[in-house]
Amino acid sequence: GAVVSQHPSRVICKSGTSVKIECRSLDFQATTMFWYRQFPKKSLMLMATSNEGSKATYEQGVEKDKFLINHASLTLSTLTVTSAHPEDSSFYICSARDARGADETQYFGPGTRLLVL
Amino acid sequence: EDKVVQSPLSLVVHEGDTVTLNCSYEVTNFRSLLWYKQEKKAPTFLFMLTSSGIEKKSGRLSSILDKKELFSILNITATQTGDSAIYLCAAVYGGATNKLIFGTGTLLAVQP
Repeated sequence: GAVVSQHPSRVICKSGTSVKIECRSLDFQATTMFWYRQFPKKSLMLMATSNEGSKATYEQGVEKDKFLINHASLTLSTLTVTSAHPEDSSFYICSARDARGADETQYFGPGTRLLVL
Repeated sequence: EDKVVQSPLSLVVHEGDTVTLNCSYEVTNFRSLLWYKQEKKAPTFLFMLTSSGIEKKSGRLSSILDKKELFSILNITATQTGDSAIYLCAAVYGGATNKLIFGTGTLLAVQP
């Protein structure tokens, strides 16, 4: 149980284009999903909290107009990197919490490696 | 400022050795502490610790939390090359959202 998938696993795009990354909870419902970014040899940095049916909450320093988050259902959240630039190249990871019960564990997707040329 | 600090940053051992990884935290509205193992992709869940002094075990791995001294340790006994990974600890904090703040990670390399 508690499987989270991400798609695509890796993407290469040209500077100025937009990229959408999907995060799905496969065997549980997630009212809250989280988006992280990880630079090489660094730890995970929380970018935003995605809430089903409402606006995402962004961490300080994260541009909400650049990183668009949509959480349209209890099993799907999407992150769109708009007008991507080379400095947006990174490893993006989502996580989800089970909506049932009091389990505070976050289960992570396999990540999406983005390279902007 | 909320922070989670792990030590050592990296560690090289030989198969069969026992290692202890450390995690200290200073977090407002602390709720629980999580340990993850990260190999090539995203972190995989190891333990969640909420109460002090109660050891959690899974095979050769074990972990314990001290909420008075604000730290946790992760022990790995009889290490194997497959244990080589980055070990991350994260503190759950906040209200209903339960956000995570991650430590810097400990890179463990187990040599044959």
